[in-house]
Amino acid sequence: ILNVEQSPQSLHVQEGDSTNFTCSFPSSNFYALHWYRWETAKSPEALFVMTLNGDEKKKGRISATLNTKEGYSYLYIKGSQPEDSATYLCASSGDDKIIFGKGTRLHILP
Amino acid sequence: DGGITQSPKYLFRKEGQNVTLSCEQNLNHDAMYWYRQDPGQGLRLIYYSQIVNDFQKGDIAEGYSVSREKKESFPLTVTSAQKNPTAFYLCASSITGFSFTGELFFGEGSRLTVL
Repeated sequence: ILNVEQSPQSLHVQEGDSTNFTCSFPSSNFYALHWYRWETAKSPEALFVMTLNGDEKKKGRISATLNTKEGYSYLYIKGSQPEDSATYLCASSGDDKIIFGKGTRLHILP
Repeated sequence: DGGITQSPKYLFRKEGQNVTLSCEQNLNHDAMYWYRQDPGQGLRLIYYSQIVNDFQKGDIAEGYSVSREKKESFPLTVTSAQKNPTAFYLCASSITGFSFTGELFFGEGSRLTVL
């Protein structure tokens, strides 16, 4: 695994709007793609761990997709709420390593 | 409640001193990890342990040491050999460590500042 890239680095979204951000990762020797939500002063919490190409997972208003052949994953948030403000971390695992991206910092505007 | 406890939350140390960060979990997880976060960077793996009495170096192990004498405990020592120790340190665990496919459970972190 070489590098995991997340974009955008930071995002401001109006409350009620939907949004999405991207994680790209090397597709060779891939085992799993992780998404974590990290609120200020709290522990990062797992949202999804996905392994299969084409996988889609959903938890409430948040969903994620995975394309292992081209090496990307999208995280979608529908109808953003203030409690969605956090840093969203993506990590790719394989070859007995897990590599984290730098995160996308999401700010929800009232 | 099950979880991971890191202590202390904030720690100041003088240059040249060793310091040990504590990480305890009561989740009965086999694998435990130490990560370091610096501004503008992703989490970087320092050390990990997949089973008691065994541990492996991560990507940035130089200047750090660990032990895993008990399943629930994985302390990290930041030695004086670590050239730039000021950082935020996160401990994590997972049910198993095989190929890092399992969900990670994190502590709240320890912020170390070297004066």
